[in-house]
Amino acid sequence: QLQLQESGPGLVKPSETLSLSCTVSGGSIRNENYHWVWIRQPPGRGLEWIGRIYYSGTTYYNPSLKSRGTISVDTSRNQFSLKLSSVTAADTAMYYCARRNPLGHIDVWGKGTTVTVSS
Amino acid sequence: DIVMTQSPDSLAVSLGERATINCKSSQSVLYSSNNKNYLGWYQQKPGQPPKVLIYWASSRESGVPDRFSGSGSGTDFTLTISSLQAEDVAVYYCQQYYTTAPTFGQGTKLEIK
Repeated sequence: QLQLQESGPGLVKPSETLSLSCTVSGGSIRNENYHWVWIRQPPGRGLEWIGRIYYSGTTYYNPSLKSRGTISVDTSRNQFSLKLSSVTAADTAMYYCARRNPLGHIDVWGKGTTVTVSS
Repeated sequence: DIVMTQSPDSLAVSLGERATINCKSSQSVLYSSNNKNYLGWYQQKPGQPPKVLIYWASSRESGVPDRFSGSGSGTDFTLTISSLQAEDVAVYYCQQYYTTAPTFGQGTKLEIK
């Protein structure tokens, strides 16, 4: 059964870069049927799509991030990653990695990792 | 961006009764080439990631109880729980995946009356 696990620092200073990784187990990130996604959820609030990547490296981002986000893939490690630059307190959130089904919806989620932006 | 608006924001329903949650998109999410609505419903319980219940507006994900159903087309959609169970207490989100920047509704918190 496919599982996703987020990892990375839980605390990031304002203006610095948030870096997270997602390790895919129980399946290959090179599966051509799926895209790999980052979604976040600020405390007590709703879900925000950050972006997605295909194993070939093709990416799509939420324009609201104003080009601060970069998603990359490492097929040798079966991982994909998120970097978010110039963070502020507004970037404090639970960050989820997930799999986008070929039909378009999200069918597998990681458990999430909490990132706090604070000095 | 397509804006997704859910109603109500919160809902209290008695056990065994019907619960209905609405979702409206600011533009149609019906893809004309395949006549599919690119609309999903997710359930999120406290401390857990969301879980998909319904995709393509009305298709139930494998393993989801048949008391959950979705309906609607174009810009107006509904999630119905036909007979509320205690384990259905959660926040429910609709999501459009019609565009390359999918968006979610603000969520509807469902509680037991």
